[in-house]
Parts: sequence; C-alpha cells; structure tokens
Amino acid sequence: EVELVESGGGLVQPGGSLRLSCAASGFTFSNFWMHWVRQAPGKGLVWVARINSDGSRINYADFVKGRFTISRDNAKNTLSLQMSSLRAEDTAVYYCARDPDTTSTWFDPWGQGTLVTVSS
Amino acid sequence: YELTQSPSVSVSPGQTARITCSGDTLPKQYAYWYQQKAGQAPVLVIYQDSERPSGIPERFSGSSSGTTVTLTISRVQAEDEADYYCQSIDTSGTFHVVFGGGTTLTVL
Repeated sequence: EVELVESGGGLVQPGGSLRLSCAASGFTFSNFWMHWVRQAPGKGLVWVARINSDGSRINYADFVKGRFTISRDNAKNTLSLQMSSLRAEDTAVYYCARDPDTTSTWFDPWGQGTLVTVSS
Repeated sequence: YELTQSPSVSVSPGQTARITCSGDTLPKQYAYWYQQKAGQAPVLVIYQDSERPSGIPERFSGSSSGTTVTLTISRVQAEDEADYYCQSIDTSGTFHVVFGGGTTLTVL
C-alpha cells in the first residue's frame, strides 16, 4: 500500500524554525517528484514546493521567498521541509504528496498532514 | 493566475451535482479534482480533466470545455458531502501549482 506519513509539526514562536518530514512507503520513492501543500485552518489548499526524483530540480511558491527548503533522502525514503523565519500566516496543516506523472503535476496520494502553529 | 470555483453547491440525495472551475489556462493545461472530507486529507477523484482513478465510483466524472472544467457527481449520496478543489498548473513564468478556492458540497 502506498503511504505517506508526515511528522515534525508543532507549536513554534514567530521567527522560529521547524523541520517537517514525510516518510514514504509502498512505492519506489526515488522515481517520483514530491510536493508539500499546506492548508490554513478553515481555508483552501496552497501549494508550497516541489522536488524532482533526484533532488536536482526544485520550485517554490512565491510566498516562501527563501524561508523554506525542500529536500529528500532517497536512501531513507524521506521528504523534508525545513522552515525558518516562520510567521503567524504559516500556521497550517502541511501535507506531503506524491506526483504520479512526470509530464504533468498532480497529487496522489496525500499524507495525513502535520499541523504547524506559529504563535507566541 | 487563478482558478475560480463557486463556494457552495447543495443537492438532494440521488440528484446530480455539478461543480465548475474556471481559469484562463485550462484550455492548455489539464485540471485535477480532489475531494476533502471534514478532518481528512484530500483524495484525488479526477485526473487529466476526465480520468477516474481506480477505486473512485463511476458516479464521479469530469469534463472540459474552453476555460471551464466541470466535476459531475451523479446519484449523489450522503457520503459525497465534502469540499472539492480543482487544481492545475501555471507555466507562463516560473512553475506554479494553482488550486481553486474550493466548493462545499452539501447533501440536503
């Protein structure tokens, strides 16, 4: 069974840092692009970042502006998101998701999400 | 670049629900649809405008016409009550993924 399990969320003060992880299983992780998508409480889905299969190509949403870094460890089947200079507006559930198709971009499956709360 | 969805749709059980998503690049880029039930992660229900993943009921279908894509749910059931999001990509500048604002389907 294809599964993605996020971890690392929690409460952090404004200006602080947090590292999210996503453990993948049930598929050949190193063959797929991976993404982070977030959802603020009561709001819609917002794409955050993507990384290609070997980590050589990365794209970020404009609002990341050098504060977040996406990475992967194919030997450990793990996707990461290092977040720094966190703001209240970064409060959200963060989902990792697999991109099944190399010719387009979509998400299947999604992890269950991990909640990041930025507050003093 | 934006994808525009109506905020809400309400139907009675057994009726057909149609959820639309509009965007200027939809004639050139595929659209995808996700179902998100309360407190759960999103689930893909339609890919590449009209393809249905395995495990998704045949009641779910997708179509595309010009700048609008439509998710149609036939014979709506109470379990279909959820938020539905369309998604596409924008490659006009730097790569960007765009989601619609979401449509809440209420089964009366």
